[in-house]
Amino acid sequence: SAVISQKPSRDICQRGTSLTIQCQVDSQVTMMFWYRQQPGQSLTLIATANQGSEATYESGFVIDKFPISRPNLTFSTLTVSNMSPEDSSIYLCSVNSGAGELFFGEGSRLTVL
Amino acid sequence: GENVEQHPSTLSVQEGDSAVIKCTYSDSASNYFPWYKQELGKGPQLIIDIRSNVGEKKDQRIAVTLNKTAKHFSLHITETQPEDSAVYFCAASLDTGGFKTIFGAGTRLFVKA
Repeated sequence: SAVISQKPSRDICQRGTSLTIQCQVDSQVTMMFWYRQQPGQSLTLIATANQGSEATYESGFVIDKFPISRPNLTFSTLTVSNMSPEDSSIYLCSVNSGAGELFFGEGSRLTVL
Repeated sequence: GENVEQHPSTLSVQEGDSAVIKCTYSDSASNYFPWYKQELGKGPQLIIDIRSNVGEKKDQRIAVTLNKTAKHFSLHITETQPEDSAVYFCAASLDTGGFKTIFGAGTRLFVKA
C-alpha cells in the first residue's frame, strides 16, 4: 500500500489567483495521477505525472491552466492557475500499486470566490 | 476512449438488505475493474476488484461479477450495515504498462438503521 499526504487539505481563494497543491508519497513511484472531483461528481483524470518528463494531460486539461511538477519519485505538485469559481473542486493525488489499484490522498478541497 | 456508466445514482436500503450497483464499459480492451468506496471528506479506497479472466469474486459481504461479453460488471453488498453508507465508484482500467483508470459517475448508498 501507499500513504499519500496532500497539502493544503482545503483553501478558499480569490478569483484570478493561483494555488499549488502538494502531494507526498511514502514510497517511490513511477507515475502519479491528479484527479479532479467536482461537487457531487465523479473523478476525472487531469494528468499523469512521470518523474523526469513532462506530464501527460487528458482531453480538456492544458498545461497552462494546470502546470504540474514532478521533481522526484515521491513528490508532485499541481497548480491551479488563474482560478475561477468553476475550478472549485476537490483535487486528488493518486498513485498506482503496479497491479491496477489506485491509492488516493485525502484530497484538497478548493473553493474559489 | 473508455466510457463507464453507473446505475443507480442513489440507492437507499434497509439495514440487513442487499444492495446492487451496476456498471457498463465501452472499451472491450479494458481488463481491470475496481470498485472504490468514498466516505465523506476522504479519498476513495479500493474495496474489491476483478480482472477480465475472472467472472466472479467475493470478499465476505461484498461480491463483484463481470460479464465480458456484455461489457458490464456489478457490485453486490449483502447484509448491509449503516457503515456501508458512502459513495461507491466503479472503474475500468487497461494495463498498458501504466494503468489509466476511468471512473463511473458514482452511487450514493444510504443504509437505514
